[in-house]
Amino acid sequence: DQQVKQNSPSLSVQEGRISILNCDYTNSMFDYFLWYKKYPAEGPTFLISISSIKDKNEDGRFTVFLNKSAKHLSLHIVPSQPGDSAVYFCAAIDNDMRFGAGTRLTVKP
Amino acid sequence: NAGVMQNPRHLVRRRGQEARLRCSPMKGHSHVYWYRQLPEEGLKFMVYLQKENIIDESGMPKERFSAEFPKEGPSILRIQQVVRGDSAAYFCASSPGRGRVNTEAFFGQGTRLTVV
Repeated sequence: DQQVKQNSPSLSVQEGRISILNCDYTNSMFDYFLWYKKYPAEGPTFLISISSIKDKNEDGRFTVFLNKSAKHLSLHIVPSQPGDSAVYFCAAIDNDMRFGAGTRLTVKP
Repeated sequence: NAGVMQNPRHLVRRRGQEARLRCSPMKGHSHVYWYRQLPEEGLKFMVYLQKENIIDESGMPKERFSAEFPKEGPSILRIQQVVRGDSAAYFCASSPGRGRVNTEAFFGQGTRLTVV
């Protein structure tokens, strides 16, 4: 029962370009969405979040967009930097917090 | 303000032994989540606990796995009679509440369990 899906296991972009990571969900009761970033051998760290009453939240180079009708959210990183290379997980909260499988972003110099 | 503390960081067990993984949430946090990450896979929800209560254990295998979060002390994830397939990284997260705006769960660094 995969309520949160990240269909792209990996993404490679050139430094300075935009990275777009996508996430789809099936549960319309989710009311809060988050993105986490994870480096190897470390725990996930919170990156950015958005409430279901909004459609956009921006924090520096990171912007999260929410399309409730499509049950889709995306994370935009612009400009991408090599230090952004990591696995990115989207998460959604209803009664619990559910994660997608992650997308491995590689930013090439 | 210490973050979420998990110990041990690495744990090696022989098949059939018991594994105990500990998680101390951030100060003031009363909600704990356990997740498992199998090699090359994402984070899989296992169990959600509040102090002295299991709220949702729908992601936890029915046998051999148990979790607790006592009134005093850390949350414990216990795996009895471990098998090779239990080898994974186990992450704990804590939060002050659930489903509230500006609530983000903070993760520990994980315990990497290896069953030999």
